[in-house]
Amino acid sequence: DSGVTQTPKHLITATGQRVTLRCSPRSGDLSVYWYQQSLDQGLQFLIQYYNGEERAKGNILERFSAQQFPDLHSELNLSSLELGDSALYFCASTRTQTSPRTQYFGPGTRLTVL
Amino acid sequence: AQKITQTQPGMFVQEKEAVTLDCTYDTSDQSYGLFWYKQPSSGEMIFLIYQGSYDEQNATEGRYSLNFQKARKSANLVISASQLGDSAMYFCAMRGPTGANSKLTFGKGITLSVRP
Repeated sequence: DSGVTQTPKHLITATGQRVTLRCSPRSGDLSVYWYQQSLDQGLQFLIQYYNGEERAKGNILERFSAQQFPDLHSELNLSSLELGDSALYFCASTRTQTSPRTQYFGPGTRLTVL
Repeated sequence: AQKITQTQPGMFVQEKEAVTLDCTYDTSDQSYGLFWYKQPSSGEMIFLIYQGSYDEQNATEGRYSLNFQKARKSANLVISASQLGDSAMYFCAMRGPTGANSKLTFGKGITLSVRP
C-alpha cells in the first residue's frame, strides 16, 4: 500500500458526460501529480499541484481540469468525454515539489467511456 | 526534452535466475533522477528503485539493483533470484533537474514473464 488513495476504482460513463476523479496524497506529501495511461499514448504526465498551486502542465486537454484543495486532496475533472479518454488515471504524490527520490502512485481509476 | 527508451520485446526468465531489463535515456540536464516501477496485471504502479544522477553508487533495494552507466546514459534494472510474482510490466522513468518540477517521463515498458 503506497498510502495514496484514489476513488473511484472503476468508472463507466457515456460520451459527452463529465466525471470527477479524486486523489488523497500520502500523509505529509504536499505535491500531487496526475498521469494518464492509455494503450496508444502510454503513461503521460497531465498536471502537478504543490500545496494548492498548479506547478506544471503536461499533455492535458482543455476539456480536463484539476485542483488541489486546502486539505491537499486533489480532483481531476474530465468533461465532454470521448471514447479516446478511456484510460487508467493515476495520481502520485511527493513530499517536496523538486528532486524527490520517490514518487508513490495510487491504485488508479480505470475510466471506460462508452 | 527528456526521453526514455525501452526496446526489449517481452522478456522471459526462469524462476530463481537473474534478469536484466534495459533502459536508456536522453537528457541535456546534468542533474536528474531515474526510477523503475512495476505494474502487475492488477494495474497498480509499484515503486521499485531510484538512482540520482550524482549518486556515487548504484542503487540497490533487496533483489533489485540498478546498473547505472552515466556515460552511456543507461539505467538497467537487475532482478536477482526471479520469483513468479515478478511477472509484470516494468517501466523506467526519469525526473527532471533539481529546481524544476518533478514530473516523470516514462518509457513504453517491458513485459517480464517468469517461468516455473
